[in-house]
Amino acid sequence: GDSVTQMEGPVTLSEEAFLTINCTYTATGYPSLFWYVQYPGEGLQLLLKATKADDKGSNKGFEATYRKETTSFHLEKGSVQVSDSAVYFCALRRPGGGADGLTFGKGTHLIIQP
Amino acid sequence: EADIYQTPRYLVIGTGKKITLECSQTMGHDKMYWYQQDPGMELHLIHYSYGVNSTEKGDLSSESTVSRIRTEHFPLTLESARPSHTSQYLCASSGAGARTEAFFGQGTRLTVV
Repeated sequence: GDSVTQMEGPVTLSEEAFLTINCTYTATGYPSLFWYVQYPGEGLQLLLKATKADDKGSNKGFEATYRKETTSFHLEKGSVQVSDSAVYFCALRRPGGGADGLTFGKGTHLIIQP
Repeated sequence: EADIYQTPRYLVIGTGKKITLECSQTMGHDKMYWYQQDPGMELHLIHYSYGVNSTEKGDLSSESTVSRIRTEHFPLTLESARPSHTSQYLCASSGAGARTEAFFGQGTRLTVV
């Protein structure tokens, strides 16, 4: 079945550091890929998405590129801020997948220290 | 900004009580979902719906039940709450496309004492 694997946390960085959160997936066909962010006490918010190979999603300084050849969708940001502290989820969705095809990773807790 | 709402945001209730968690969306989405989120942050799908009068069980077995009488409304009910039901419950919806994103409500933090 479909699966999403993302790096385990917590990931702790200093402010202005470069961020990479790894995400790889297993799925048949051509899924859409997403990154969601969850701030403390809140629901998930869509951060960015990509719907086909080589697409780059970007938002709020975050970027991720859909790499079909490595089945990856790594999240990057050049200079993190304390306000980026949150839990980040990688997810995929494909036609015909179980439960309407939505599959989430287990989440990565990011902590940014001043 | 997504138009999906959950009430209450926080609920503390005694063992054995019946509770209903409300979820409503104004986007006209046919597909709706309930997730249970454990303290480790992992999401577990417990129920989903493709539209009115459609309900399906998710990957994680749950003692809760759901109904979908109206497109915009997808309530979750626990007939007899227990401490093991203490968790964060997240409702989501998505549009008709097979590749579209899901939109989430702010969640209900349930504590059963």
